[in-house]
Order: sequence, then structure tokens, then C-alpha cells
Amino acid sequence: DAGVIQSPRHEVTEMGQEVTLRCKPISGHNSLFWYRQTMMRGLELLIYFNNNVPIDDSGMPEDRFSAKMPNASFSTLKIQPSEPRDSAVYFCASQTGNQPQHFGDGTRLSIL
Amino acid sequence: GDSVTQMEGPVTLSEEAFLTINCTYTATGYPSLFWYVQYPGEGLQLLLKATKADDKGSNKGFEATYRKETTSFHLEKGSVQVSDSAVYFCALVPTQGGSEKLVFGKGTKLTVNP
Repeated sequence: DAGVIQSPRHEVTEMGQEVTLRCKPISGHNSLFWYRQTMMRGLELLIYFNNNVPIDDSGMPEDRFSAKMPNASFSTLKIQPSEPRDSAVYFCASQTGNQPQHFGDGTRLSIL
Repeated sequence: GDSVTQMEGPVTLSEEAFLTINCTYTATGYPSLFWYVQYPGEGLQLLLKATKADDKGSNKGFEATYRKETTSFHLEKGSVQVSDSAVYFCALVPTQGGSEKLVFGKGTKLTVNP
């Protein structure tokens, strides 16, 4: 039973570059969540989708961040242009109904 | 708004010691409560949950009881192992069930020494 799959696992890039993080939720799950984890701020919800529709994007830090879910099996989180303060671990999670969320292993992003 | 406050870490224990990690919450209505665990280099995994007052969640020797009168959901384990070393997150969903976002505490890092 495949879990939530995130790619890449690690990303190192220079500031100003575009970064795209990818997530494949568990098949059949209808909600998808993007989180950011840093030492200073802990775990923050950035945005979540229900049935591919963005429900709450109040956690998205600024216009440089955007997220899409074109279909039930794929989502992207894009940062353009990236900045060093965007360095963090980004997690994707999926959920169905009132069951608990299942997390991917995260993407460790470093912006130089 | 809804919030979760958990014990500041880090916590360092010897193997077979008793563990308590405190968690209190603020929420309207009747939230569901969760403990998640994050092992190094991995995502969060659900450890246990409780969906109504006086429910006890348990898993892998860990327990937590939903106490509405004290708005608490403290995590306990009678005898920790080195393999329990991880970061533990208390969390709530503001409404029972449904596709609602989790509200997390800041996490408590546990290190268990042999």
C-alpha cells in the first residue's frame, strides 16, 4: 500500500530560482495538505485542498508561493523566485473523510 | 482561535523510564485530539487519537486520555525504549470528523539513552 509520495527528497538551489515540489497522495484520499517545517516556526499549514479545490490558503506566506492540484493524484507547490528564508522541510499529507492525515517523508529544501 | 500547547523540550530519559509529555488545548466545540510522532528524516506518523471526552487512545505502549474538564491530552508511556527517540506532536482537528486542518503544537523532542 503506497503512502504519500513526495519528490524530490532533497533540493538545493540558488536564490532567485524557481522551485517545484511534487506530491502524489494516497489513492482514494480526497483531501491534500501542504506543510512547512522549520526550527523557528515549527509545523505550519500552508494550504489544503478538498476534491482538488483549494479550501484554505491563508498559510501561504506570500505571492511567491503557489499550489495547484490539477487532478486527484497530483499536486505541486511552487516557489518563484526562491529566497534563503524559504529553506525548510516541506511535507505533503492526504486524508479521506474523518480519518487521520497520512504524511509523506518530506522535501528538504535549501536555498543558497 | 484554536491552539495546542505542549511541553517544551528537549526531554532526555534513560531506557525503561516513565514518560509524560503534557499537552493542553484551546478549542471551541468538541475537537478530535491526536499525537503524531516524527522519527529522524521521516514524515509524521499518527501515534494515537481520541475523538471524544474520556476516550483513551493507545498504541505501542503509549496512552493519552481526552480530558475535557482540564482541556488536556497528555502522552504517557510506562517504560521507554531507545527506539522511542523522536519528536512528538500533539494536534487537534477543530471539528469532529470531516476534512478539517490539523492544529499542531510545537513538538517535543524525546531522546532515550541506553
